[in-house]
Amino acid sequence: AQSVTQLDSHVSVSEGTPVLLRCNYSSSYSPSLFWYVQHPNKGLQLLLKYTSAATLVKGINGFEAEFKKSETSFHLTKPSAHMSDAAEYFCVVSLLGSGYSTLTFGKGTMLLVSP
Amino acid sequence: NAGVTQTPKFQVLKTGQSMTLQCAQDMNHEYMSWYRQDPGMGLRLIHYSVGAGITDQGEVPNGYNVSRSTTEDFPLRLLSAAPSQTSVYFCASTQEGINSPLHFGNGTRLTVT
Repeated sequence: AQSVTQLDSHVSVSEGTPVLLRCNYSSSYSPSLFWYVQHPNKGLQLLLKYTSAATLVKGINGFEAEFKKSETSFHLTKPSAHMSDAAEYFCVVSLLGSGYSTLTFGKGTMLLVSP
Repeated sequence: NAGVTQTPKFQVLKTGQSMTLQCAQDMNHEYMSWYRQDPGMGLRLIHYSVGAGITDQGEVPNGYNVSRSTTEDFPLRLLSAAPSQTSVYFCASTQEGINSPLHFGNGTRLTVT
């Protein structure tokens, strides 16, 4: 079985300070991992994905994530937060080569950015 | 390029009523799926389709039906609405399988009273 845990339901930062959104996963096999962002009243948009290539993955809008197998983590970071980064972020795990139905979403982390 | 289009954006139903949530994509994607999003629960898969004429159940299929007569359309039917189906529903499509990024619609906010 696979699962994904987002360790914080809410994260608050000031504009210009670093962002860290934490995600841990469990999977019996080699996982693919994704981060999606959801702005208010919108659908989810892909930020970045890891599929067993480089462990440091760069995404859109200055975000990046590092896959650490030993820690079963895939934390999302950004060096400097912008007001437009305020949104909900979802970590997603899937099994390589498995059926379409086995995408598992985390419960989400709401990022709040203050001026 | 419209992407994934969902209608309606908002809907209020009374318990026991039925309705269809519409989803259409213009990207010629084979894979389409329906999720529901509830506070603190993330997204949960209701039904999915890997191509026209093929559908399957996801994690929470009870109370919902789907069909896929064309590549473009994937409607979700609520047969007899219940308050537990109050949620935000998202349709998503993707090009070629589970490791390809999902393209989401903007959602339908459904309230069942």
